[in-house]
Amino acid sequence: DAGITQSPRHKVTETGTPVTLRCHQTENHRYMYWYRQDPGHGLRLIHYSYGVKDTDKGEVSDGYSVSRSKTEDFLLTLESATSSQTSVYFCAISYQGYDEQYFGPGTRLTVT
Amino acid sequence: GEDVEQSLFLSVREGDSSVINCTYTDSSSTYLYWYKQEPGAGLQLLTYIFSNMDMKQDQRLTVLLNKKDKHLSLRIADTQTGDSAIYFCAETRNYGGSQGNLIFGKGTKLSVKP
Repeated sequence: DAGITQSPRHKVTETGTPVTLRCHQTENHRYMYWYRQDPGHGLRLIHYSYGVKDTDKGEVSDGYSVSRSKTEDFLLTLESATSSQTSVYFCAISYQGYDEQYFGPGTRLTVT
Repeated sequence: GEDVEQSLFLSVREGDSSVINCTYTDSSSTYLYWYKQEPGAGLQLLTYIFSNMDMKQDQRLTVLLNKKDKHLSLRIADTQTGDSAIYFCAETRNYGGSQGNLIFGKGTKLSVKP
């Protein structure tokens, strides 16, 4: 998976609790992305980062925030998890914005 | 926004060729990609084609690009049971700001029967 790890790999949490997912890369790529994958919707971009402290919203950013304090780490936070955020979350990286993206193994999040 | 379209399912017999089709939306896309996802795993980049090319061949994989019709296809020759997976096409598109991002189709589930 091109030097990309995600943690945790599985998480079950209750509605209303905060959750933080971590993506860590060892490739020194500038761009990092968070996607969610749901049946019938394919992959949808939540947020992305184009450098340390530089982030922007994607297609489905409501209810999510991100932070990138180091090149290698990109955090996705659900401030108050809802059942609609039950999904599989993938992190991806790319060298430049238009380059191919490499994906992590995913985090399966269940909000009960 | 407009969707990248793919058929949802394809079933073939082992040894046959598989052709997975995709219709994309942005005529200015510079690269178009094919990814493979096996159960429980992340997406794996299979191949890509630059927009000024009509065809790209990589071992058993052949990518055809028809820019006029915004149609992309992936042909897998001599399909094996290990090719069973979901295949995603993706186009580059400007999303907000000045950064290009990938827009994915919903994926085509390829089933290979022995």
